[in-house]
Amino acid sequence: NAGVTQTPKFQVLKTGQSMTLQCAQDMNHNSMYWYRQDPGMGLRLIYYSASEGTTDKGEVPNGYNVSRLNKREFSLRLESAAPSQTSVYFCASNTRKGYGYTFGSGTRLTVV
Amino acid sequence: KQEVTQIPAALSVPEGENLVLNCSFTDSAIYNLQWFRQDPGKGLTSLLLIQSSQREQTSGRLNASLDKSSGRSTLYIAASQPGDSATYLCAVHLGDYKLSFGAGTTVTVRA
Repeated sequence: NAGVTQTPKFQVLKTGQSMTLQCAQDMNHNSMYWYRQDPGMGLRLIYYSASEGTTDKGEVPNGYNVSRLNKREFSLRLESAAPSQTSVYFCASNTRKGYGYTFGSGTRLTVV
Repeated sequence: KQEVTQIPAALSVPEGENLVLNCSFTDSAIYNLQWFRQDPGKGLTSLLLIQSSQREQTSGRLNASLDKSSGRSTLYIAASQPGDSATYLCAVHLGDYKLSFGAGTTVTVRA
């Protein structure tokens, strides 16, 4: 089915390890986003890419890096994982800012 | 900074009862307000979008109202069904590439 695909779905890391979360969309959307969702809090924007070749910081970018590999793919990298980065991570995409968001099913990350 | 609050955090109702979910926001300078549904272990699905110039939006059994001046939106779900059990999130669009989300209301509809 068309949509936003995230891999992996689950991951356990040790403190200090690194990993990359992958996201791909097949809807020809211009913009892509990474959010994190923590219990009792709304989704918070980590980074976004308004269009291919651009990336910008969101509300909580510290400890993360991103790469917009091409129009379809937007990856999120944790260079040195910390327990505070335990969360559920969602990737989303859309064509027009503020409208028509499609979300992936999330990656549940635990850092021990 | 825009703050979005959803009260209550959780709600349990018997099947057939109407649901009323509340969302409040602190800054009325929004472009639109959106309601999403989230099922356990799944991503968010868009339900309704209300433009800042609109007062309400309807889709089937769902109706959302917006009072921008008071910073409030309400999502009504008529004649609730067990399949309506999910977490409902509201989000406001601030005019750039950012949505500001509430923490959500988790709804359980008892058969």
